[in-house]
Amino acid sequence: DVKVTQSSRYLVKRTGEKVFLECVQDMDHENMFWYRQDPGLGLRLIYFSYDVKMKEKGDIPEGYSVSREKKERFSLILESASTNQTSMYLCASSSPGTGGNEQYFGPGTRLTVT
Amino acid sequence: QQQVKQSPQSLIVQKGGIPIINCAYENTAFDYFPWYQQFPGKGPALLIAIRPDVSEKKEGRFTISFNKSAKQFSLHIMDSQPGDSATYFCAASKSEKLVFGQGTRLTINP
Repeated sequence: DVKVTQSSRYLVKRTGEKVFLECVQDMDHENMFWYRQDPGLGLRLIYFSYDVKMKEKGDIPEGYSVSREKKERFSLILESASTNQTSMYLCASSSPGTGGNEQYFGPGTRLTVT
Repeated sequence: QQQVKQSPQSLIVQKGGIPIINCAYENTAFDYFPWYQQFPGKGPALLIAIRPDVSEKKEGRFTISFNKSAKQFSLHIMDSQPGDSATYFCAASKSEKLVFGQGTRLTINP
């Protein structure tokens, strides 16, 4: 079974703190994604990566950065957390060319910024 | 700009009923239309998907109906069960990226 794990299920940070969210997948997938999930807005793509050290902006990259130093690990960084970044963060991975573009999701990290 | 619009936002159905969730898209370049199911405390998981060269796809009690000319697709759940209570997301893609709808919180009452 594909497994995508996220470092924390719940996280509480203060405004202005630097926040790191870690994601690890064990299926040797090339693609990795970071989304945020908000009620009524669905899942919105923050950043994605097709390969190690490669990253591309998604639909809402402002205030975020990412790092992918190893194939299995994709980190989301909030340089200076703000209250409007309080959200559920979901990591996903996929293998290109599978014919279905199925993405496998982690359980999510619920981040609260106070 | 919301490229995939999903409705309704929430839906309550009695056990055995047939809930229907609708999605509409704008980009005619989309060529893959999946539905994801999410239970509380879990990440979304692929439920069923369709490509635009077919008008319907069934997997067990779940059916996708696809109308290419109207740029709409829908999910039907036959003989719905309380265990189907979850949040459902439609999505669309052209490349490796998915664009998700807003989600529908479905409740099946016993």
